[in-house]
Amino acid sequence: LAKTTQPISMDSYEGQEVNITCSHNNIATNDYITWYQQFPSQGPRFIIQGYKTKVTNEVASLFIPADRKSSTLSLPRVSLSDTAVYYCLVGDPGISGSARQLTFGSGTQLTVLP
Amino acid sequence: GAGVSQTPSNKVTEKGKYVELRCDPISGHTALYWYRQSLGQGPEFLIYFQGTGAADDSGLPNDRFFAVRPEGSVSTLKIQRTERGDSAVYLCASSLGLGEVGDTQYFGPGTRLTVL
Repeated sequence: LAKTTQPISMDSYEGQEVNITCSHNNIATNDYITWYQQFPSQGPRFIIQGYKTKVTNEVASLFIPADRKSSTLSLPRVSLSDTAVYYCLVGDPGISGSARQLTFGSGTQLTVLP
Repeated sequence: GAGVSQTPSNKVTEKGKYVELRCDPISGHTALYWYRQSLGQGPEFLIYFQGTGAADDSGLPNDRFFAVRPEGSVSTLKIQRTERGDSAVYLCASSLGLGEVGDTQYFGPGTRLTVL
């Protein structure tokens, strides 16, 4: 399973765009990149998943360069309620019969300030 | 619709006791996962069920930990002879179990286990 490296913490202000970058130098060909968000006393919540280039949904964008050795989660115009821990995960979600457990790192604590 | 639910939300026990933690997955989800999360760390995989069978139990730390899912829905994580080091939040997740991209795992709120 590919190891990921993220900043331990980040601060931002309300209304700003936040970019959290994750390094995954040994990503495998079949691996996808997935981001989860976790609030205190709650389970992680899926945000976005991608393989290459750019993926966008209603809450975030995910940018993946051609070499796929890193990825950047972009949160537009954050609010106080976006304060949470964000996890970057790398793995192959599709091998039938194989273990599909998620391997979490320590995550990035994002704090949004007023 | 209803999400993944876990009971109890909190469990305090004494060292050496036996505990059971329950997970009710989202209806129709064939895959179920158990994770353990210690303070300040990301969740750590314990075991994965596809239907009634444990497809991967490589994350269980030792033979004091056991999980079942007899009817392919509700799952129970059982911990025997609890130790203080077992104190953590135990998270359950479920997914459709399609085995393909987009098979998102949905997590429950967790059970906070404290072993005194």
